[in-house]
Amino acid sequence: DIVVTQSPESLAVSLGERAAITCKSSQSVLYSSDNKNYFAWYQQRPGQPPKLLIYWASTRESGVPDRFSGSGSETDFTLTISSLQAEDVAVYYCQQYYSTPHTFGQGTKLEIK
Amino acid sequence: QITLKESGPTLVKPTQTLTLTCTFSGFSLNTSGVGVGWIRQPPGKALEWLALVYWDDDKRYSPSLKNRLTITKDTSKDRVVLTMTNMDPVDTATYYCAHRRSGGSYYVSWGQGILVTVSS
Repeated sequence: DIVVTQSPESLAVSLGERAAITCKSSQSVLYSSDNKNYFAWYQQRPGQPPKLLIYWASTRESGVPDRFSGSGSETDFTLTISSLQAEDVAVYYCQQYYSTPHTFGQGTKLEIK
Repeated sequence: QITLKESGPTLVKPTQTLTLTCTFSGFSLNTSGVGVGWIRQPPGKALEWLALVYWDDDKRYSPSLKNRLTITKDTSKDRVVLTMTNMDPVDTATYYCAHRRSGGSYYVSWGQGILVTVSS
């Protein structure tokens, strides 16, 4: 199984400031035949199902604000929120879908400082 | 608009078999590339991927649970069923079904989830 290690476990950022969450995969999730990273990011607000933010490591899902961005390749990935808004308080998960089981990270709880 | 809804028992006893149904609309499991997956989340814990069925009836399971899981699709009724045998209190979780869009196994649309408690 590919293990995805997410950090930090929790993060407190002031409104308007930048937040960054990282994930490290135990093996590369870059598929050579299409040069795509099989990696996604989700946001989960309390009492809600996860919401897809980013796929292919850096493609923003339709309707997701452009303050959310994804970067990275092969084994190291980052989700960045450029200017934190109050509605961004949530738990964030990364996921690799390169091979089954399609493992998730442990989650990062993002709060307002 | 794509919607998914999980249904089934919310309380099961240890050793019993859990059967959950995902009823969906807004897409077809006959469409090439499409799939429906199951993911669970114990209270206060992280997401755990369980299983995925593709449009062509290819099925994938979490190796750690493979012996206990069965996923089936009924395209005529727009349903996917997950069964999990020999339930244990550690299986207490919210179980989600989710839509895999053609192209990659990221999950675009999710059901609201069903909390299943395993207790005698």
